Amino acid sequence: DADVTQTPRNRITKTGKRIMLECSQTKGHDRMYWYRQDPGLGLRLIYYSFDVKDINKGEISDGYSVSRQAQAKFSLSLESAIPNQTALYFCATSDSTGTITADTQYFGPGTRLTVL
Amino acid sequence: QKEVEQNSGPLSVPEGAIASLNCTYSDRGSQSFFWYRQYSGKSPELIMSIYSNGDKEDGRFTAQLNKASQYVSLLIRDSQPSDSATYLCAVSRAGTALIFGKGTTLSVSS
Repeated sequence: DADVTQTPRNRITKTGKRIMLECSQTKGHDRMYWYRQDPGLGLRLIYYSFDVKDINKGEISDGYSVSRQAQAKFSLSLESAIPNQTALYFCATSDSTGTITADTQYFGPGTRLTVL
Repeated sequence: QKEVEQNSGPLSVPEGAIASLNCTYSDRGSQSFFWYRQYSGKSPELIMSIYSNGDKEDGRFTAQLNKASQYVSLLIRDSQPSDSATYLCAVSRAGTALIFGKGTTLSVSS
């Protein structure tokens, strides 16, 4: 089984709908991240969480919210989806031992979201 | 604004050649450096990590780090068509989120 899973893998929705993307991990990592990827723009950080009680905004948090339900679960919500949120969304995890080698991030398979 | 810069490419090399991918970063406090490979529509996959100046080799891949010049590079020897992908450079200070470059697209022709 995959260490980092994302559901759904594909989603088509309409403008104004509320959408939740879910991420689960079995790696035992404390840190979890949400990115979006658009052609030509690379990976952009939306939110990150260094533990269950620590949530931080990333580069492009407007229009998104997150919930860290448990160490292993981190959800991303689009409260009112708009077409320019159409993108590929990735969840990632990393360890928290404090060593520089712990910064390695491991990615889930991604969710392709289309907002019509 | 901390930045990671990569040439977007595409970088085209013939099969068997050496592919050289470069990355520069703006934050002198960066301590961790990574190269990820990403096939179209798939998730990034870690290829190499490097933390100290010099070279680090793993099979056909060599990562090179020069902190004084603030650049990190990836060499792929004996390039194969299966190496055709986008390569993402990422850097971070210890304990912080990675900052990614926009990636370089590599095309290896047979």
